[in-house]
Formats: sequence, C-alpha cells, structure tokens
Amino acid sequence: GQNIDQPTEMTATEGAIVQINCTYQTSGFNGLFWYQQHAGEAPTFLSYNVLDGLEEKGRFSSFLSRSKGYSYLLLKELQMKDSASYLCAVRDNDYKLSFGAGTTVTVRA
Amino acid sequence: IAGITQAPTSQILAAGRRMTLRCTQDMRHNAMYWYRQDLGLGLRLIHYSNTAGTTGKGEVPDGYSVSRANTDDFPLTLASAVPSQTSVYFCASSPGLEVDEQFFGPGTRLTVL
Repeated sequence: GQNIDQPTEMTATEGAIVQINCTYQTSGFNGLFWYQQHAGEAPTFLSYNVLDGLEEKGRFSSFLSRSKGYSYLLLKELQMKDSASYLCAVRDNDYKLSFGAGTTVTVRA
Repeated sequence: IAGITQAPTSQILAAGRRMTLRCTQDMRHNAMYWYRQDLGLGLRLIHYSNTAGTTGKGEVPDGYSVSRANTDDFPLTLASAVPSQTSVYFCASSPGLEVDEQFFGPGTRLTVL
C-alpha cells in the first residue's frame, strides 16, 4: 500500500509563494501527481512527475525526489483563485492512484 | 454531453436500500474509476475498469459493485447501503490506465441514514 503525508492547511498572502510538501512510502512507484480541488468541485489535474527533478508549468511547479520519497508543489504569484485543496497522489505499478488527504491553501488579500 | 457526468447530484438514502450511482463519459476513454472522498481521508479508489467488459477492485471495494457493459457507462451499485457509505463519490476516466491524467466528474453526495 501507500502512505502519503501532506500538511492539512496552509495560509499565504496574495502575490506570495507557497510550497506544499508531500512525502510518501510506497510498495511500488509509477509516478506522482498533483491535483487541485476547489470547494464543492471535482479535482483537476495539475502536474505529473515520474523522474527526479522540477517540472514547471506557468505559475505552478512540481518537484520529485524518488530516493527521498518526497515531492513538493510550488505556487508562485498567488492569486485569490488559488484558494483550494491540493491533492498529492502516487501511482503504483498497477497504475492505480493513492491520494493524500489534501492540503487546503487559503490565500489572503 | 461534454466530458464526464454523474447522477444524481445528491441523494439521501435509508440504510438497507439499494442504490446505483450513474457515470457516463463521452470522451471514448478506455479506463474508468470510482472514488469516495471523506474528510481527512482523501480520495480512495473503490473499483476501476481498464476497458469495457473488465473491472477490478480498488482500496475499499467492500459493499460496492460495478459493471462495464460498454465504453461510456460505469455504474456503481450499493446493494444494501450502510451509514458508513455516506460520502462524496467521484467517477473519473482516462484514455488508458497508463495515461497520466484522470478526468473527474462533478461528484455525487450520498447520505445514508
């Protein structure tokens, strides 16, 4: 199985940078995903890492270290619309996803 | 239809009743999934299907069954609902199991009393 840990809540100011950490212990690894979920809505895909390093996509970046079982999602130039839950998920060798409980990010003006 | 839809949007159900949650996608995706989302626990996989005619068990399959008669539809059935099945249920799809992104439906909020 998978054990995935991420902080429950984070608060940041509009325009700032926030880093959401995710650590995992897995019985198999075939990629790490980040999803965004606004309150009352469906999750939407943000990023995917399968190799070590940084993947940048606009204001969002995701980093992976497989040897450390560690990933982070970096949100730059925070906007009010970025207030949401961010879900870390690990895919196993059978291509099934296991999700962390999510990190609720609140952006303040 | 565009994308993935679920019905009903919400439902209150008496314990012991049978309930089927519907999921339909028009993207011709091969793989489909059912998750439940509970506060503090995140999304947990119930059942999945990697192509029409096949299904598999996820992390929490007990009390649930699925079928995949065609590519578009993937219904989830609770044979005899119990209060612990109160949750938000999300259906998702992807072109294949090995493809990166899963697309999620809007969810069904189910309350079992």
